[in-house]
Amino acid sequence: QSALTQPRSVSGSPGQSVTISCTGTSSDVGGYNYVSWYQQHPGKAPKLMIYDVSKRPSGVPDRFSGSKSGNTASLTISGLQAEDEADYYCCSYAGSYTFWVFGGGTKLTVL
Amino acid sequence: QVTLKESGPVLVKPTETLTLTCTVSGFSLSNARMGVSWIRQPPGKALEWLAHIFSNDEKSYSTSLKSRLTISKDTSKSQVVLTMTNMDPVDTATYYCARIKDGYNYYDYWGQGTLVTVSS
Repeated sequence: QSALTQPRSVSGSPGQSVTISCTGTSSDVGGYNYVSWYQQHPGKAPKLMIYDVSKRPSGVPDRFSGSKSGNTASLTISGLQAEDEADYYCCSYAGSYTFWVFGGGTKLTVL
Repeated sequence: QVTLKESGPVLVKPTETLTLTCTVSGFSLSNARMGVSWIRQPPGKALEWLAHIFSNDEKSYSTSLKSRLTISKDTSKSQVVLTMTNMDPVDTATYYCARIKDGYNYYDYWGQGTLVTVSS
C-alpha cells in the first residue's frame, strides 16, 4: 500500500478538465509545499510535470496545474488531449527520516 | 545534456544479491549539489522510493527496506551503485535512478529503467 492515496482511475473527453487528488498526512503532503507530479506513458520513465505543489517545469503545457489544500494535493489537466492519456503519480517530501513518498498512481483515460 | 542510465542483471535468483549501477552524464556527482535516488516499480504497480545519496555522500534509505539496501557512488566513474540483498520474487520490478538537487524535492531527470526479474 502506497503512502499517498490517489484514485485508481479518472477519465474525461477531449477538451474537458480532470482533477487527480493525492491524499497524505500532516507528515508529508500537509507538512511541506514539496509535492511533485509525474506523468508516465506505458513502458516509459516518469516525467516531471509539476513541482513544489504548483510550479511547472519549462516545456510542460500550462494546461497542467497543481494545488494543495491541507493534506490533499491536486493535479488538474484542462483542455484534455489524447496524448495526456497516461499514469500520473504524486510524490511528497516526508521529512528527514522518510524523505520521499509516492502515491499509488492514477490512470487517466481520454475517452 | 543530462542523462542517467541504469545497468545490471536482467535475472537474479532468490536469496542472491542484486547490484545495479546508474551511470550519469551532463552533471557531476562530486559537486553542483546533485543527488541520485533509486526508485522501483513492480509490473503494473506504483513507484516506490528506495534510497538516495546526496552530493556530500550522506545516504538515506526506505525504512521498510533499509536492512537490505546499500547505496554508494564513485564520482570518478560518474556512477551510483545500489545493492539489495536477499532478493525475492516480490522484488521483481523496473528499477530507476533519478536526479534530485540537494535541498530540492523533485526528480528532474530519470533514467530509462532496467527490469529485474527474480526467479529460480
